[in-house]
Amino acid sequence: GAVVSQHPSWVICKSGTSVKIECRSLDFQATTMFWYRQFPKQSLMLMATSNEGSKATYEQGVEKDKFLINHASLTLSTLTVTSAHPEDSSFYICSARDIRGDQPQHFGDGTRLSIL
Amino acid sequence: LAKTTQPISMDSYEGQEVNITCSHNNIATNDYITWYQQFPSQGPRFIIQGYKTKVTNEVASLFIPADRKSSTLSLPRVSLSDTAVYYCLVGDSNSGYALNFGKGTSLLVTP
Repeated sequence: GAVVSQHPSWVICKSGTSVKIECRSLDFQATTMFWYRQFPKQSLMLMATSNEGSKATYEQGVEKDKFLINHASLTLSTLTVTSAHPEDSSFYICSARDIRGDQPQHFGDGTRLSIL
Repeated sequence: LAKTTQPISMDSYEGQEVNITCSHNNIATNDYITWYQQFPSQGPRFIIQGYKTKVTNEVASLFIPADRKSSTLSLPRVSLSDTAVYYCLVGDSNSGYALNFGKGTSLLVTP
């Protein structure tokens, strides 16, 4: 079945550093990828929609200058958390929508980000 | 986007059939109904998707009545490893819009 790979699976870093998370669709092309954030015991919250070759669309309340998204190819989107602070610690999950359109979205296994 | 309502939690014993019902009164004509399963510290995993009537695959069945205002995920003979959160989502799979997650149903399977 369709596979979405997310890397790294977990990262710990100091406050003030920037962290890049990669999301790759391994066996299909994705014109659209989505980034979610999930806090403990809560549901997934959509952060932004990433379209290949164009600027991402951010949800209300999500700072576009803090969460930089790049979708340079049909198989790769990246999320960079800039100048991360402890409150940015969370579980970040990406999903990808197959270019064929009539397929369900597939999710990566998430990235656990811990900011000290 | 259609809002979904599911029970917050359910309990079951191993070997039983579990039915989780989702209400989506405002479902649109082009919307599909999709169910995902999520284990702690993992991304959601696709279970099943349907538009109307009944869909069955190797892990579950999805029952959708004619008015499509609700749907029921049926898990036959659950095991301990089926303990997870189950999300019902409604959306147009051909659109570029994201799936919006509700609170999901936390299923606990015990021996």
